[in-house]
Amino acid sequence: GAGVSQSPSNKVTEKGKDVELRCDPISGHTALYWYRQSLGQGLEFLIYFQGNSAPDKSGLPSDRFSAERTGGSVSTLTIQRTQQEDSAVYLCASSGWTSGTYEQYFGPGTRLTVT
Amino acid sequence: QKEVEQNSGPLSVPEGAIASLNCTYSDRGSQSFFWYRQYSGKSPELIMFIYSNGDKEDGRFTAQLNKASQYVSLLIRDSQPSDSATYLCAVESGSARQLTFGSGTQLTVLP
Repeated sequence: GAGVSQSPSNKVTEKGKDVELRCDPISGHTALYWYRQSLGQGLEFLIYFQGNSAPDKSGLPSDRFSAERTGGSVSTLTIQRTQQEDSAVYLCASSGWTSGTYEQYFGPGTRLTVT
Repeated sequence: QKEVEQNSGPLSVPEGAIASLNCTYSDRGSQSFFWYRQYSGKSPELIMFIYSNGDKEDGRFTAQLNKASQYVSLLIRDSQPSDSATYLCAVESGSARQLTFGSGTQLTVLP
């Protein structure tokens, strides 16, 4: 694909349910990030994957959040037992060096609403 | 705690003027610095990446980094109404590759 894709684009879920968000990074990009952005707020780091290294999970807000990246490509972010404060736009980004130029692109985001 | 500070604005400049956006950071171990543009309702878009002291120019954009003073700025020359957006500064520190973002500066370029 031409860019980073995320699915679903919108997700409305009831409090207490689990949700799974998907990110397809740009092919060849070794790094993948998850952030979330609440209305009118800055971006909050969640987790970072780099190649086959252990992910940096230091930004995950609680043990209800987990993420994995399979085969160094697609990533899923799972939120268990969702709470209303989890409502936000979840953004995925991938980055890498292409022909000596650093690239980083964000996906369009998944808007999560917990009712 | 690592902090990245930006003036929230709004900053208004007339079309054709130079817009100057500033960002300070607290972690002296910070190594890479990023500027993003975010239109309302859209995802951030990387516009500048700098890691060496001094200036880096790309078209109408110039990033200026001063590690001793712990600030990084973005200059937009010949500002256009299409530059109206929120500009986010982000800092990457040491071996931890996570980016810490500022809260953004809202820029309006008046025609």
